[in-house]
Amino acid sequence: DVKVTQSSRYLVKRTGEKVFLECVQDMDHENMFWYRQDPGLGLRLIYFSYDVKMKEKGDIPEGYSVSREKKERFSLILESASTNQTSMYLCASSLSDRGQETQYFGPGTRLLVL
Amino acid sequence: GNSVTQMEGPVTLSEEAFLTINCTYTATGYPSLFWYVQYPGEGLQLLLKATKADDKGSNKGFEATYRKETTSFHLEKGSVQVSDSAVYFCALSEWDNNDMRFGAGTRLTVKP
Repeated sequence: DVKVTQSSRYLVKRTGEKVFLECVQDMDHENMFWYRQDPGLGLRLIYFSYDVKMKEKGDIPEGYSVSREKKERFSLILESASTNQTSMYLCASSLSDRGQETQYFGPGTRLLVL
Repeated sequence: GNSVTQMEGPVTLSEEAFLTINCTYTATGYPSLFWYVQYPGEGLQLLLKATKADDKGSNKGFEATYRKETTSFHLEKGSVQVSDSAVYFCALSEWDNNDMRFGAGTRLTVKP
């Protein structure tokens, strides 16, 4: 089974802090994704990566950056956390870039910015 | 651009009731369609998918048929159980990339 793990289930940070969210997948998947999930809005794509050191902006990249130094690891960085970044963050991976590929999700990190 | 619209929740049903969650989509090409489920405290997991028109996806008693003529992918289950209580997301991705678009999610609560 594909396993996607996220470094924390819950995080509490203060406004202005730099925040790192880490995601690791164990199935040699090419693609990795970061979403945020908010009630009534579904999932919105922040960034995705289709290869090591490659990244593409999603729908809401402002205030975020990402890093993919190794194939299995994809990090989301909040350079200066703000209260409007309080949300559930979900990482996902997929085998390839074909449209029919299933995305596999981690358990999520619930971030509270005070 | 591509988008997915699914019925708003929450939906509350009694055990053994029939379930329908409506999902319609807008896409420029030939999308693949998915239903994901999110159980309390967990990430999303694939429930079923269909990759071309008239395909039927099925899993755990749930079914959905890819209807190109009505641009729909409604989720159905004949007899729900308490353990089906979760949030259900309809999603699509285009044929040539894995950029997935999700609906807002529908929360289902099944009461004994």
